[in-house]
Amino acid sequence: GAVVSQHPSWVICKSGTSVKIECRSLDFQATTMFWYRQFPKQSLMLMATSNEGSKATYEQGVEKDKFLINHASLTLSTLTVTSAHPEDSSFYICSARGTGVANTEAFFGQGTRLTVV
Amino acid sequence: AQKITQTQPGMFVQEKEAVTLDCTYDTSDPSYGLFWYKQPSSGEMIFLIYQGSYDQQNATEGRYSLNFQKARKSANLVISASQLGDSAMYFCAMTPGPGAAGNKLTFGGGTRVLVKP
Repeated sequence: GAVVSQHPSWVICKSGTSVKIECRSLDFQATTMFWYRQFPKQSLMLMATSNEGSKATYEQGVEKDKFLINHASLTLSTLTVTSAHPEDSSFYICSARGTGVANTEAFFGQGTRLTVV
Repeated sequence: AQKITQTQPGMFVQEKEAVTLDCTYDTSDPSYGLFWYKQPSSGEMIFLIYQGSYDQQNATEGRYSLNFQKARKSANLVISASQLGDSAMYFCAMTPGPGAAGNKLTFGGGTRVLVKP
């Protein structure tokens, strides 16, 4: 299957700082990327959908000014958690679809575990 | 809106035995895709199996099979000959329309499986 690489795999930051998470498609062009958040022992909740070259579409209840998403190229999307607070501590995971890959599977990154102290 | 329900929060299974994980869904879309993912403690999402709503036959992938009952809106996962490495969280998910292409995944709450030696 296609490979999606997410970095970093874990990060600890101080309250009030910003954290950037990268999601890269390594062997295909990702026209659409999805960002999910998962709190401990809960399911994945979609935060936003980003299409290359256009603004992200955020799900209801997700603050777009706090969770900045950039999808400037066909292989890279970034999620920046701005002015992070302890309640933002969570597992963030991206998935991608694109050209030249099967449409019956969503390809996920490895996830990023964010801890805000 | 789509909704996925997994009624089993957790279950034990004896090694080498089969286990069935329940999944029911609700949607008004005429076509949709159903997925099962495995999430080990590392957090990565591992694709297991896909079923399209118009597929006539139940999907199978190695030890995984999907018991698709459209009239009952259920898509149960059967894992045969359980192995210790099958211990993980399992998520049922769906997309509107066929496949995952361009469509966001809606996840169920998950079922934690623990395989006993």
